[in-house]
Amino acid sequence: GAVVSQHPSRVICKSGTSVKIECRSLDFQATTMFWYRQFPKKSLMLMATSNEGSKATYEQGVEKDKFLINHASLTLSTLTVTSAHPEDSSFYICSALERAGDNEQFFGPGTRLTVL
Amino acid sequence: GQSLEQPSEVTAVEGAIVQINCTYQTSGFYGLSWYQQHDGGAPTFLSYNGLDGLEETGRFSSFLSRSDSYGYLLLQELQMKDSASYFCAVGSGGFKTIFGAGTRLFVKA
Repeated sequence: GAVVSQHPSRVICKSGTSVKIECRSLDFQATTMFWYRQFPKKSLMLMATSNEGSKATYEQGVEKDKFLINHASLTLSTLTVTSAHPEDSSFYICSALERAGDNEQFFGPGTRLTVL
Repeated sequence: GQSLEQPSEVTAVEGAIVQINCTYQTSGFYGLSWYQQHDGGAPTFLSYNGLDGLEETGRFSSFLSRSDSYGYLLLQELQMKDSASYFCAVGSGGFKTIFGAGTRLFVKA
């Protein structure tokens, strides 16, 4: 099946710094990628939909200036958490669609962000 | 608003059958999916129902009734490795998927 990777898997940073998380589709081209945030033992909260070559579509309540998303190529989307604060600590997961309209999303392994 | 309701926890014994229900209320509906997630891991796709009825994939089956805004995931011949969280998810248009809060399944020996 299709494989999605994320890097880094874990990151610890100081409050006020910015952190970039990469999401790559390894063996397919993904026109659409999604970024989710998940708190412990909670559901996945969709943050934004990322389409290659265009601006991301953010969900209501998600600050676009806080969570910068860039989908530079058909295999790479990045999420940058700017000026991170402890409340941004969370598990961030990306997913990708192999084809537009597919029912199955392929998820990356997630990135555990801890802001001190 | 959009919401998906599923039980928070279910406990069953090895070899048994368990059913996890999901009811939904969404502005758009493009099918009901189920995902499995082990602690610390990524969600993995289990099944999809676009039309009413039962879909079977090995030990897992999923059912959808669009008129009732209801579906379920049925797990048969439970194994210890099935202990995980199970999320129902609705495609709500624009390729977006809305996830339920998840059901933690505990399988006991």
